[in-house]
Amino acid sequence: NAGVTQTPKFRVLKTGQSMTLLCAQDMNHEYMYWYRQDPGMGLRLIHYSVGEGTTAKGEVPDGYNVSRLKKQNFLLGLESAAPSQTSVYFCASSYSWTGGEAFFGQGTRLTVV
Amino acid sequence: AQTVTQSQPEMSVQEAETVTLSCTYDTSESDYYLFWYKQPPSRQMILVIRQEAYKQQNATENRFSVNFQKAAKSFSLKISDSQLGDAAMYFCAYRSGGGTSYGKLTFGQGTILTVHP
Repeated sequence: NAGVTQTPKFRVLKTGQSMTLLCAQDMNHEYMYWYRQDPGMGLRLIHYSVGEGTTAKGEVPDGYNVSRLKKQNFLLGLESAAPSQTSVYFCASSYSWTGGEAFFGQGTRLTVV
Repeated sequence: AQTVTQSQPEMSVQEAETVTLSCTYDTSESDYYLFWYKQPPSRQMILVIRQEAYKQQNATENRFSVNFQKAAKSFSLKISDSQLGDAAMYFCAYRSGGGTSYGKLTFGQGTILTVHP
């Protein structure tokens, strides 16, 4: 049981380049999330999805887009990367019932130069 | 909106001693859940302990326990008999119990715990 898998684990981008982060979960979870982690700020929610074909904005959505075409996958896209998007990105998933634990991927360290 | 505050950026403890990490939160809700996550250098987020707000009894998981003070909106983590493997960043997190919260977590800033041999 792999849980939540993120691809890639590390990436360096030049300003203005685009990329997509892939998150895959094999637990049949309805809910999926993308967070970013910055020093001194904890983890902040970028976008989330409550089911296949749905997406919604979180706390810091600007500069990012997401898609959930299949229940098990949640993609995070950066159309034109900026240095302010240098961060560690985490994908997570959880059951839809109240209080369900969130399971996290290993994180992706992204550097935009 | 809910907020979570961890006022201790760094803490240290001697091996085998006890340490307490602080967390306060602000909410107007009565139904919610609180979590402590551990993040070792590997970056993996590991759930340490969970507390349901409707439960008066403090949660305990082996050497880890919480002091949940609902009226004071305080949720501290106590680590007993600290081990070198406990060294990590610790995050406090809040999850609303409401159906429209969709499991979203609000995190504190994190506390780096160093364990000295």
